[in-house]
Amino acid sequence: GAGVSQSPRYKVTKRGQDVTLRCDPISSHATLYWYQQALGQGPEFLTYFNYEAQPDKSGLPSDRFSAERPEGSISTLTIQRTEQRDSAMYRCASSLLGGQGDEQFFGPGTRLTVL
Amino acid sequence: GQNIDQPTEMTATEGAIVQINCTYQTSGFNGLFWYQQHAGEAPTFLSYNVLDGLEEKGRFSSFLSRSKGYSYLLLKELQMKDSASYLCAGGSGSARQLTFGSGTQLTVLP
Repeated sequence: GAGVSQSPRYKVTKRGQDVTLRCDPISSHATLYWYQQALGQGPEFLTYFNYEAQPDKSGLPSDRFSAERPEGSISTLTIQRTEQRDSAMYRCASSLLGGQGDEQFFGPGTRLTVL
Repeated sequence: GQNIDQPTEMTATEGAIVQINCTYQTSGFNGLFWYQQHAGEAPTFLSYNVLDGLEEKGRFSSFLSRSKGYSYLLLKELQMKDSASYLCAGGSGSARQLTFGSGTQLTVLP
């Protein structure tokens, strides 16, 4: 596609529910990143994929968070048993090869609100 | 680690020059990025420095000193549309995942 897209743009859920967020990266891009961004802060790294491989999960806050990219294109981020502290903007980014200096292109984000 | 520090807010006048500083811890560092983020929008790439020195790109320039753990973004001929948050980010790891600072909110006044 022309850019990185994410869905839904807004998600409101109740505490304890599971949510799944979707990211559709730029089609030629091998590397896909997930970030969490609190209001007034910079994005915070969660995890990344090289094609379908997930070499680094170090930023995931807890085992309630998981991500997949089974065919090396679209990715999903799932949060199980959501908590109010999970409320944030979740941003996906992609880059061509994940190499040094590669520009990361960010999507519009999913604003998650946990009530 | 890569703690990244930058001022929270800056104000400047249209047509002026402003310099936004960023300091970081150098361990695990693989290059320094600057991103611009307008309110309610996604961050967009401005510049990347991996070697010491100044990189110029139109009205925007970015400087890096690796030994000092210091970078700055220089914006010339400020325009109202430059009002945004400017994010300094260090690249680390095999895929250069980014560690962002909290951002500097720049307000350009007429």
